Amino acid sequence: DAGVIQSPRHEVTEMGQEVTLRCKPISGHDYLFWYRQTMMRGLELLIYFNNNVPIDDSGMPEDRFSAKMPNASFSTLKIQPSEPRDSAVYFCASRKDSHTEAFFGQGTRLTVV
Amino acid sequence: AQSVTQLDSQVPVFEEAPVELRCNYSSSVSVYLFWYVQYPNQGLQLLLKYLSGSTLVKGINGFEAEFNKSQTSFHLRKPSVHISDTAEYFCAVSRPMNRDDKIIFGKGTRLHILP
Repeated sequence: DAGVIQSPRHEVTEMGQEVTLRCKPISGHDYLFWYRQTMMRGLELLIYFNNNVPIDDSGMPEDRFSAKMPNASFSTLKIQPSEPRDSAVYFCASRKDSHTEAFFGQGTRLTVV
Repeated sequence: AQSVTQLDSQVPVFEEAPVELRCNYSSSVSVYLFWYVQYPNQGLQLLLKYLSGSTLVKGINGFEAEFNKSQTSFHLRKPSVHISDTAEYFCAVSRPMNRDDKIIFGKGTRLHILP
């Protein structure tokens, strides 16, 4: 398996634009997590899914952020409109079940100017 | 709610010296514990995990950690570090018994290896 695949690796966008981050989890994994990493706040859990259903989105900063998982092999995290304070590295991770570890993608480095 | 505290944001250590990175968690129920490593511009990789059984867990790259339930700690150790161990290390916790399947991470400890 190729592991968790995220795209794009880097994204630079202007304030106010819509940004969509994409993730393909490892096949057969039931859980998918979206994290945001910044120097100030560390690694924050934004939302996670179990069997494509959102379970906990309490970490989503505000209504500008939304996440979907239309099927078991694809998820998106959308920011609309984007703001400079959204600049961070966004990680997607997947987990086979609740008794295993999570596997991380390489991350998307988002810069909003 | 579960949480993880990594007491040191940065740890400098000389090459070939031993190192301990500290991690404490808060949870009143059984937990799973993990240590991950992040090299520059990369994702997180699993170093080791504690799910059950022996409290001394051995991982990759010569690292080990000991689960101490009474002290709610899961410190990471290596007897002799190498320059290639320069990275950021994250402790994480999950609670499988409460249908709360999320994994929460500490803020990380940056390990600096001095020549």
